[in-house]
Amino acid sequence: KNEVEQSPQNLTAQEGEFITINCSYSVGISALHWLQQHPGGGIVSLFMLSSGKKKHGRLIATINIQEKHSSLHITASHPRDSAVYICAVRFRGSQGNLIFGKGTKLSVKP
Amino acid sequence: DAGITQSPRYKITETGRQVTLMCHQTWSHSYMFWYRQDLGHGLRLIYYSAAADITDKGEVPDGYVVSRSKTENFPLTLESATRSQTSVYFCASLDSNGGETQYFGPGTRLLVL
Repeated sequence: KNEVEQSPQNLTAQEGEFITINCSYSVGISALHWLQQHPGGGIVSLFMLSSGKKKHGRLIATINIQEKHSSLHITASHPRDSAVYICAVRFRGSQGNLIFGKGTKLSVKP
Repeated sequence: DAGITQSPRYKITETGRQVTLMCHQTWSHSYMFWYRQDLGHGLRLIYYSAAADITDKGEVPDGYVVSRSKTENFPLTLESATRSQTSVYFCASLDSNGGETQYFGPGTRLLVL
Protein backbone atom coordinates (compact mmCIF):
# COMPACT_ATOMS: atom_id res chain seq x y z
CA LYS A 1 0.00 0.00 0.00
CA ASN A 2 1.30 3.45 -0.89
CA GLU A 3 1.63 5.35 2.38
CA VAL A 4 2.81 8.72 3.62
CA GLU A 5 3.93 9.13 7.22
CA GLN A 6 4.57 12.43 8.96
CA SER A 7 6.30 13.16 12.24
CA PRO A 8 5.78 14.56 14.72
CA GLN A 9 1.97 14.70 14.86
CA ASN A 10 2.08 17.71 17.16
CA LEU A 11 4.85 20.21 17.75
CA THR A 12 5.06 23.14 20.14
CA ALA A 13 7.91 25.61 19.80
CA GLN A 14 8.99 28.94 21.23
CA GLU A 15 9.20 31.91 18.94
CA GLY A 16 12.57 32.01 17.20
CA GLU A 17 13.23 28.26 17.31
CA PHE A 18 14.29 26.23 14.28
CA ILE A 19 11.60 23.71 13.37
CA THR A 20 11.78 20.48 11.40
CA ILE A 21 8.84 18.41 10.20
CA ASN A 22 9.48 15.06 8.58
CA CYS A 23 7.74 13.07 5.88
CA SER A 24 8.52 9.54 4.71
CA TYR A 25 6.87 7.51 2.00
CA SER A 26 6.78 3.90 1.00
CA VAL A 27 7.56 3.64 -2.71
CA GLY A 28 8.92 5.69 -5.58
CA ILE A 29 7.33 9.03 -6.24
CA SER A 30 7.09 11.54 -9.06
CA ALA A 31 6.63 14.55 -6.81
CA LEU A 32 6.22 15.57 -3.19
CA HIS A 33 4.23 18.55 -1.95
CA TRP A 34 4.22 20.49 1.28
CA LEU A 35 0.98 22.28 2.13
CA GLN A 36 -0.07 24.58 4.95
CA GLN A 37 -3.52 24.55 6.48
CA HIS A 38 -4.35 27.68 8.42
CA PRO A 39 -6.33 27.58 11.67
CA GLY A 40 -9.32 28.84 9.69
CA GLY A 41 -9.11 25.78 7.46
CA GLY A 42 -7.75 27.17 4.20
CA ILE A 43 -5.07 25.07 2.45
CA VAL A 44 -2.24 26.55 0.43
CA SER A 45 0.58 24.88 -1.43
CA LEU A 46 4.05 25.76 -0.14
CA PHE A 47 6.42 23.65 -2.23
CA MET A 48 6.53 20.98 -4.88
CA LEU A 49 9.73 18.93 -4.99
CA SER A 50 11.02 16.13 -7.11
CA SER A 51 14.65 16.41 -6.02
CA GLY A 52 17.04 18.53 -3.99
CA LYS A 53 16.00 21.56 -2.01
CA LYS A 54 13.76 24.62 -2.28
CA LYS A 55 13.65 27.78 -0.21
CA HIS A 56 11.02 30.45 0.16
CA GLY A 57 11.59 33.06 2.82
CA ARG A 58 12.04 31.27 6.15
CA LEU A 59 10.80 27.96 4.77
CA ILE A 60 13.12 25.31 3.37
CA ALA A 61 12.07 21.96 1.95
CA THR A 62 14.44 19.12 1.17
CA ILE A 63 13.96 15.70 -0.29
CA ASN A 64 16.18 12.58 -0.32
CA ILE A 65 14.85 10.32 -3.05
CA GLN A 66 17.05 7.35 -2.10
CA GLU A 67 15.88 7.43 1.52
CA LYS A 68 12.26 8.25 0.57
CA HIS A 69 12.23 11.14 2.99
CA SER A 70 11.53 14.84 2.97
CA SER A 71 11.84 17.54 5.59
CA LEU A 72 10.25 20.95 5.97
CA HIS A 73 12.28 23.43 7.99
CA ILE A 74 11.15 26.75 9.41
CA THR A 75 13.86 29.13 10.54
CA ALA A 76 13.25 31.85 13.17
CA SER A 77 9.74 30.59 13.82
CA HIS A 78 6.95 33.04 14.57
CA PRO A 79 3.48 32.62 16.08
CA ARG A 80 1.97 33.27 12.64
CA ASP A 81 3.62 30.02 11.47
CA SER A 82 1.16 28.14 13.68
CA ALA A 83 -0.75 25.85 11.34
CA VAL A 84 -1.04 22.27 10.21
CA TYR A 85 1.65 21.27 7.72
CA ILE A 86 0.75 18.50 5.32
CA CYS A 87 2.98 16.34 3.17
CA ALA A 88 1.49 14.83 0.02
CA VAL A 89 3.03 12.67 -2.69
CA ARG A 90 2.23 11.64 -6.21
CA PHE A 91 3.35 8.06 -6.58
CA ARG A 92 4.94 6.97 -9.83
CA GLY A 93 2.34 5.61 -12.23
CA SER A 94 -0.58 7.52 -10.70
CA GLN A 95 -2.67 9.93 -12.72
CA GLY A 96 -1.84 13.04 -10.74
CA ASN A 97 -3.64 11.90 -7.62
CA LEU A 98 -2.01 12.91 -4.37
CA ILE A 99 -1.77 10.77 -1.24
CA PHE A 100 -1.68 12.88 1.91
CA GLY A 101 -0.04 12.47 5.28
CA LYS A 102 -2.13 13.14 8.36
CA GLY A 103 -0.44 16.45 9.00
CA THR A 104 1.72 17.99 11.71
CA LYS A 105 0.08 20.55 13.95
CA LEU A 106 2.57 23.29 14.81
CA SER A 107 2.03 25.79 17.57
CA VAL A 108 4.58 28.57 18.03
CA LYS A 109 4.35 30.37 21.36
CA PRO A 110 5.47 34.00 21.76
CA ASP B 1 -14.76 36.19 -7.75
CA ALA B 2 -11.51 34.98 -9.19
CA GLY B 3 -10.10 31.69 -7.97
CA ILE B 4 -11.83 28.64 -6.62
CA THR B 5 -14.98 28.86 -4.56
CA GLN B 6 -17.19 26.38 -2.76
CA SER B 7 -20.79 26.61 -1.68
CA PRO B 8 -22.31 26.31 0.75
CA ARG B 9 -19.56 26.86 3.31
CA TYR B 10 -21.63 25.20 6.03
CA LYS B 11 -24.46 22.69 5.70
CA ILE B 12 -26.54 20.73 8.18
CA THR B 13 -28.70 17.98 6.77
CA GLU B 14 -30.46 14.81 7.88
CA THR B 15 -29.72 11.20 7.15
CA GLY B 16 -31.19 10.09 3.85
CA ARG B 17 -31.39 13.52 2.24
CA GLN B 18 -29.65 14.39 -0.99
CA VAL B 19 -27.04 17.12 -0.73
CA THR B 20 -25.03 18.82 -3.47
CA LEU B 21 -21.81 20.66 -2.78
CA MET B 22 -20.73 23.11 -5.44
CA CYS B 23 -17.24 23.93 -6.64
CA HIS B 24 -16.43 26.65 -9.17
CA GLN B 25 -13.06 27.78 -10.56
CA THR B 26 -12.35 30.70 -12.82
CA TRP B 27 -8.97 29.62 -14.21
CA SER B 28 -10.20 27.00 -16.71
CA HIS B 29 -7.95 24.44 -15.03
CA SER B 30 -8.38 21.03 -16.58
CA TYR B 31 -8.16 18.93 -13.42
CA MET B 32 -10.52 19.19 -10.48
CA PHE B 33 -10.64 17.14 -7.29
CA TRP B 34 -12.92 16.48 -4.34
CA TYR B 35 -11.39 15.53 -0.99
CA ARG B 36 -12.77 14.89 2.44
CA GLN B 37 -10.88 15.65 5.63
CA ASP B 38 -11.62 13.80 8.85
CA LEU B 39 -9.89 13.70 12.22
CA GLY B 40 -7.31 10.94 12.26
CA HIS B 41 -7.08 10.80 8.50
CA GLY B 42 -5.24 12.83 5.95
CA LEU B 43 -7.14 14.36 3.08
CA ARG B 44 -8.69 11.57 1.05
CA LEU B 45 -9.63 11.76 -2.59
CA ILE B 46 -13.28 11.11 -3.38
CA TYR B 47 -13.45 11.78 -7.11
CA TYR B 48 -11.43 13.67 -9.66
CA SER B 49 -11.90 14.94 -13.17
CA ALA B 50 -9.29 15.39 -15.87
CA ALA B 51 -11.54 17.48 -18.12
CA ALA B 52 -15.19 18.20 -18.84
CA ASP B 53 -17.18 14.96 -19.09
CA ILE B 54 -14.25 12.91 -17.72
CA THR B 55 -14.46 11.77 -14.12
CA ASP B 56 -12.89 8.96 -12.13
CA LYS B 57 -13.08 7.46 -8.68
CA GLY B 58 -10.60 8.19 -5.96
CA GLU B 59 -9.91 6.42 -2.70
CA VAL B 60 -13.34 6.83 -1.05
CA PRO B 61 -16.05 7.24 -3.75
CA ASP B 62 -18.88 5.20 -2.22
CA GLY B 63 -22.03 7.23 -1.57
CA TYR B 64 -20.94 10.13 -3.79
CA VAL B 65 -21.71 11.14 -7.36
CA VAL B 66 -19.98 13.78 -9.47
CA SER B 67 -20.50 15.39 -12.82
CA ARG B 68 -18.55 17.86 -14.92
CA SER B 69 -20.56 19.26 -17.80
CA LYS B 70 -18.55 22.50 -17.78
CA THR B 71 -14.83 22.95 -17.16
CA GLU B 72 -15.38 25.48 -14.39
CA ASN B 73 -17.87 23.51 -12.27
CA PHE B 74 -17.49 20.22 -10.43
CA PRO B 75 -20.46 19.48 -8.15
CA LEU B 76 -20.37 16.66 -5.60
CA THR B 77 -23.67 14.99 -4.68
CA LEU B 78 -24.37 12.84 -1.68
CA GLU B 79 -27.31 10.85 -2.95
CA SER B 80 -28.54 9.71 0.46
CA ALA B 81 -26.50 11.29 3.20
CA THR B 82 -25.22 9.18 6.09
CA ARG B 83 -23.69 10.23 9.41
CA SER B 84 -20.34 8.85 8.28
CA GLN B 85 -20.31 11.52 5.58
CA THR B 86 -20.07 14.26 8.19
CA SER B 87 -16.79 15.85 7.22
CA VAL B 88 -15.05 18.86 5.78
CA TYR B 89 -15.01 18.74 2.00
CA PHE B 90 -12.38 20.46 -0.10
CA CYS B 91 -12.41 21.04 -3.79
CA ALA B 92 -9.15 21.68 -5.66
CA SER B 93 -8.06 22.42 -9.19
CA LEU B 94 -4.87 21.91 -11.14
CA ASP B 95 -3.59 23.37 -14.36
CA SER B 96 -1.98 20.42 -16.12
CA ASN B 97 0.01 22.83 -18.29
CA GLY B 98 1.43 24.77 -15.37
CA GLY B 99 3.02 22.23 -13.10
CA GLU B 100 1.58 20.22 -10.24
CA THR B 101 0.35 22.83 -7.80
CA GLN B 102 -3.21 22.20 -6.66
CA TYR B 103 -5.30 25.18 -5.61
CA PHE B 104 -7.78 24.49 -2.86
CA GLY B 105 -11.18 25.96 -2.20
CA PRO B 106 -12.09 27.19 1.29
CA GLY B 107 -13.92 24.00 2.23
CA THR B 108 -17.49 23.04 3.10
CA ARG B 109 -18.30 21.81 6.60
CA LEU B 110 -21.09 19.24 6.36
CA LEU B 111 -22.94 17.83 9.35
CA VAL B 112 -25.30 14.92 8.81
CA LEU B 113 -27.69 14.38 11.69
